Amino acid sequence: QFALTQPASVSGSPGQSITISCTGTSGDVGGYHYVSWYQQHPGKVPKLLIHEVTNRPSGVSNRFSGSKSGNTASLTISGLQAEDEADYYCSSYTSSSTLIFGGGTKLTVL
Amino acid sequence: EVQLVESGGGLVQPGRSLRLSCTASGFTLGDYAMSWIRQAPGKGLEWVGFIRSQAYGGTTEYAASVKGRFTISIDDSRSIAYLQMNSLEIEDTALYYCTRDLLRGYSAYAFDPWGQGTLVTVSS
Repeated sequence: QFALTQPASVSGSPGQSITISCTGTSGDVGGYHYVSWYQQHPGKVPKLLIHEVTNRPSGVSNRFSGSKSGNTASLTISGLQAEDEADYYCSSYTSSSTLIFGGGTKLTVL
Repeated sequence: EVQLVESGGGLVQPGRSLRLSCTASGFTLGDYAMSWIRQAPGKGLEWVGFIRSQAYGGTTEYAASVKGRFTISIDDSRSIAYLQMNSLEIEDTALYYCTRDLLRGYSAYAFDPWGQGTLVTVSS
């Protein structure tokens, strides 16, 4: 099964909002509420930002929000900060009872 | 404090086997689904497989790329999760993370916390 489709890179200026998309199929993103988002800084362990499409774990800034429409999930980061510069990955449960990740998106804060 | 510590990585020849361990502390291992996720050098995250919580049968699922070669198990009494890797291929070279599901019992298919990872290098 191929990875979920994410843009390779996005960029934004401090204070702006950006959105990262994650496109799958009706067999994964579109069919289940189990979409998660992770942030990974270079050399660091991934950090869970969003689970079950829209839910933020405790301790995660409310500048991060998730949504889904059809087969595409989205992560929005508002009030962009320099520390947000990192790689971002989406994941989804699939109809094969497996998990699948997106290819990752590199966020550059200009 | 909830913590996961992986061990067992190293250099191994193609076709050989290796067993990774993930020692858990701060929670009861069998109460949660546990996953292994890997990241090849300079690449993205790849889900390897998971074992459901004991409440949901402790059954396992695997990515197509490792199915039939890798096996996940847990020893609840020792709080250790294992990833047995057989018939290793060069493409299995990666940093292997042990992760716990966010929710106890029923899985949210979301991973938190993560261990620091253990590096597996498959090379002749």
